[in-house]
Amino acid sequence: KAGVTQTPRYLIKTRGQQVTLSCSPISGHRSVSWYQQTPGQGLQFLFEYFSETQRNKGNFPGRFSGRQFSNSRSEMNVSTLELGDSALYLCASSRTGTSGNEQFFGPGTRLTVL
Amino acid sequence: AQKVTQAQTEISVVEKEDVTLDCVYETRDTTYYLFWYKQPPSGELVFLIRRNSFDEQNEISGRYSWNFQKSTSSFNFTITASQVVDSAVYFCALSEARNYGQNFVFGPGTRLSVLP
Repeated sequence: KAGVTQTPRYLIKTRGQQVTLSCSPISGHRSVSWYQQTPGQGLQFLFEYFSETQRNKGNFPGRFSGRQFSNSRSEMNVSTLELGDSALYLCASSRTGTSGNEQFFGPGTRLTVL
Repeated sequence: AQKVTQAQTEISVVEKEDVTLDCVYETRDTTYYLFWYKQPPSGELVFLIRRNSFDEQNEISGRYSWNFQKSTSSFNFTITASQVVDSAVYFCALSEARNYGQNFVFGPGTRLSVLP
């Protein structure tokens, strides 16, 4: 069974630009969550989507947004990039997305903002 | 508020030593779930174990064992006879049942280096 895939793996952007990251969950998984990982703040929850609806949201500015498609694939978008947005962005999927379900993570997209 | 603390930032051991990684959590929920994940240098978090708040039975799986104690809000992880391949960052995470859906709170992680 294929794992969670994320594209692209690496991305370099400049301040002010916008970026879109993509995540394909494990087949049959309906919940997709996004996390930001930085050396200073660690792993922080961005948002979770289930059946194309955002169900949970972390404490991030509105520049961070996402969506989920009918095939459960998800994208996250960051507009007006700032230097502090440089991070590893991890996507995770779970079968039903209940709070007790383990999440399976993808390899991440490493975003560098210059 | 939910919070996870991993007081050990970095640990170095020599191969074959036993090592315990500490995790202390805070939650007001009576129903919650605890997880351990491993992040090797490749970057992908690997799920190791899940425990719910009603199951304090400790578990051993091969060289890994977990000690969950509600009385001290701790969920510690022990590797017996460590190996170089165990070198990674280990994260403890908490998920409260009141948060319908997935919203993990991760600890800051403990970087484990196993030296040959």
